[in-house]
Amino acid sequence: AQSVTQPDIHITVSEGASLELRCNYSYGATPYLFWYVQSPGQGLQLLLKYFSGDTLVQGIKGFEAEFKRSQSSFNLRKPSVHWSDAAEYFCAVVPDISNFGNEKLTFGTGTRLTIIP
Amino acid sequence: ETGVTQTPRHLVMGMTNKKSLKCEQHLGHNAMYWYKQSAKKPLELMFVYNFKEQTENNSVPSRFSPECPNSSHLFLHLHTLQPEDSALYLCASSQDSTGKLFFGSGTQLSVL
Repeated sequence: AQSVTQPDIHITVSEGASLELRCNYSYGATPYLFWYVQSPGQGLQLLLKYFSGDTLVQGIKGFEAEFKRSQSSFNLRKPSVHWSDAAEYFCAVVPDISNFGNEKLTFGTGTRLTIIP
Repeated sequence: ETGVTQTPRHLVMGMTNKKSLKCEQHLGHNAMYWYKQSAKKPLELMFVYNFKEQTENNSVPSRFSPECPNSSHLFLHLHTLQPEDSALYLCASSQDSTGKLFFGSGTQLSVL
């Protein structure tokens, strides 16, 4: 079945350390790829998106993600995390770009990020 | 502030109650969505409205009834819910083909 997988349910990193959150998808074509963040008690906010072109995309809050077609991955990275980055992170995919006008996003189950001092 | 406002923030209801969730977007978008977020499960798309017309009903039980009177407002009417319907219900809006959803803060629903 087609899916979006976030293998890590929970990650803990020290403030100032680097971060990488993993995302894999299993669609045949190149989908549109997104990362969203959800702070406690809030809705989701778009961090970045990949449609085509440069496989390294920059987002808000110092985040970046790299699309690797050979690995069907779209991992999120940040060189130095801040305590305010503690949140839930969701990878999402639009698998069928012919339906893109309806933004039928398929979400992963999320990765909860904890920051320790 | 994302420009998408949901009320109420919290709702507790019994299985025989009727209640409604409200969503309003101030962004001039033409598409609106209801998502259900349950613990340890991916977000589930429930309904999509484009220009006030429902374009997606993702096999949602009839005890959930959406209403979209105009492109800025979206309601989710609830009746005879079950305890397993307890979840965070998120509203979102978008402009066609931007790939970017703007989410409200959600309504945390508890069904007793």
